[in-house]
Amino acid sequence: GEDVEQSLFLSVREGDSSVINCTYTDSSSTYLYWYKQEPGAGLQLLTYIFSNMDMKQDQRLTVLLNKKDKHLSLRIADTQTGDSAIYFCAEGGADSGAGSYQLTFGKGTKLSVIP
Amino acid sequence: GAGVSQSPSNKVTEKGKDVELRCDPISGHTALYWYRQRLGQGLEFLIYFQGNSAPDKSGLPSDRFSAERTGESVSTLTIQRTQQEDSAVYLCASSPTGNEQYFGPGTRLTVT
Repeated sequence: GEDVEQSLFLSVREGDSSVINCTYTDSSSTYLYWYKQEPGAGLQLLTYIFSNMDMKQDQRLTVLLNKKDKHLSLRIADTQTGDSAIYFCAEGGADSGAGSYQLTFGKGTKLSVIP
Repeated sequence: GAGVSQSPSNKVTEKGKDVELRCDPISGHTALYWYRQRLGQGLEFLIYFQGNSAPDKSGLPSDRFSAERTGESVSTLTIQRTQQEDSAVYLCASSPTGNEQYFGPGTRLTVT
């Protein structure tokens, strides 16, 4: 079955870059996503990348996709204390099981930003 | 515009009772999803609605779980005879296309 793996914790200093990594197993995934969850809040869609792309940049966020290795990363430039949250990687798309677009999530990476 | 809303935000119930959770999707979004997030875990897919098509119920963990959706509006998730292992945050998401999913704040369910 599908599986999405992420490291559980990452700690960086304010102003440095953060890189959160994710590996997935379902090669038929059409889209790969990054969601942010702040304490006590719901999930916020940060960005997503279509599976035929290698890179997507959106302001301080850069997503890199290595489809051959099934590896996805999220880079946050100039990390701020407000970036402290749990970041979830997810895969999904039109080819997900049972004809629906259900997403398969990793367990999340808790990013701590040290002032 | 208004996002996905869910109610109640918190629910404490006794083991064996039934609970009903509500989700109001973003207006115009045809797809609606329910997920469950246990403490320290990622999200588990429960059920998916798309327009008037038959729902995808493949993620429901047992027959105590059911969900309904009226057209392209409100959805309710019902858990009958709640058990302690049902304690989790239940998240609803809606989507205009199926792929971009926008999540509500969730309902935190605690079964005592």
